[in-house]
Amino acid sequence: EAQVTQNPRYLITVTGKKLTVTCSQNMNHEYMSWYRQDPGLGLRQIYYSMNVEVTDKGDVPEGYKVSRKEKRNFPLILESPSPNQTSLYFCASSSQMNTEAFFGQGTRLTVV
Amino acid sequence: KQEVTQIPAALSVPEGENLVLNCSFTDSAIYNLQWFRQDPGKGLTSLLLIQSSQREQTSGRLNASLDKSSGRSTLYIAASQPGDSATYLCAAQLNQAGTALIFGKGTTLSVSS
Repeated sequence: EAQVTQNPRYLITVTGKKLTVTCSQNMNHEYMSWYRQDPGLGLRQIYYSMNVEVTDKGDVPEGYKVSRKEKRNFPLILESPSPNQTSLYFCASSSQMNTEAFFGQGTRLTVV
Repeated sequence: KQEVTQIPAALSVPEGENLVLNCSFTDSAIYNLQWFRQDPGKGLTSLLLIQSSQREQTSGRLNASLDKSSGRSTLYIAASQPGDSATYLCAAQLNQAGTALIFGKGTTLSVSS
């Protein structure tokens, strides 16, 4: 089954404790991205990757890092999480930048 | 800067009714427009993708139209069912390399039986 898989689905952590949210897709897609969804603000892009070793900032990249060492994986790294990063996070992939996007199930992160 | 607006924010209808969800965008230089469905705890599901060169797309009871000149897209749901209850999001993508999907804030639909 074609899918985008995120882990963990739920995470509660403390301020400053480094964490990684994993994202993996099995569709051989080149384009992957991360979004966060906040009440009243909707979904906003954090980072994107157009292919292996090619990443760039989206609209709200501050406080986040990403890497793309393999085509299928695109982890989101929070080096020092803060409470304002409490949000619902989505990973997405598409075969190219402007084709149909497929989203993961989401990761609900709470930073206390 | 591209802005996407969805009206209404919430909609309640009885089962069987046909309905239209609206999406407007400010920059007509879009590459495509995509409609998604979001269910609580289940992420986003792609419903329809309309390329800028297309006027509409259909999938089952769903029909999405695109009018770039007026900056509008509509999602038509025929014969609504309680299982259609969800939040519907539209997202526009500009015709530039690396640009994000710009999402509206969604319309939350409730279909009562």
